Amino acid sequence: QLVLTQSPSASASLGASVKLTCTLSSGHSSYAIAWHQQQPEKGPRYLMKLNSDGSHSKGDGIPDRFSGSSSGAERYLTISSLQSEDEADYYCQTWGTGPVVFGGGTKLTVL
Amino acid sequence: EVQLVESGGGLVQPGGSLRLSCAASGFTFSSYDMHWVRQATGKGLEWVSAIGTAGDTYYPGSVKGRFTISRENAKNSLYLQMNSLRAGDTAVYYCARAGPWGDWYFDLWGRGTLVTVSS
Repeated sequence: QLVLTQSPSASASLGASVKLTCTLSSGHSSYAIAWHQQQPEKGPRYLMKLNSDGSHSKGDGIPDRFSGSSSGAERYLTISSLQSEDEADYYCQTWGTGPVVFGGGTKLTVL
Repeated sequence: EVQLVESGGGLVQPGGSLRLSCAASGFTFSSYDMHWVRQATGKGLEWVSAIGTAGDTYYPGSVKGRFTISRENAKNSLYLQMNSLRAGDTAVYYCARAGPWGDWYFDLWGRGTLVTVSS
């Protein structure tokens, strides 16, 4: 069964970097994912599609501070030079021959 | 401007029906698979349905047989007919565009419309 696992929360200081992780279930390590940001009281916003080889394509207007990388079944979202507006929920999402799957989301707090 | 705008949400009694609409603009609507995703208050995102460019439809088990997705390319519009609504269907419903070449990641989202199922 295709499942995405995310840590419920993360925190980092203003101006620092943070790396969020999304883990694909066993047998699905070749799958691409997408990262989405949801700021408080707003709809989701597409950040990037991230392939298993670490290549990624970002959405329009997404700053260079946002980058993606991959290692095995792990997919990462790194945000550098953290700003207050980066405080949000971050969801990973994937797809296969069955339903679309979302991770449970990581709530990022900027200290 | 490239955007999706949902409408049609509101308060409905359990067992009732509601039809959501999504107006697309700024891109060739007929060329993209389209989806509905929902989010209950304080919860994560849940995929609700999809429709391909050829009109093929897909649903998770939680809504199959109760919800129907459709599209009208001439009007650049996506719809979600929701029947036999339950309290658990209460959520903000988002319209989302899938990426190109059949990849089902969502590269454009609407702002959502709130559906409340309550007596």
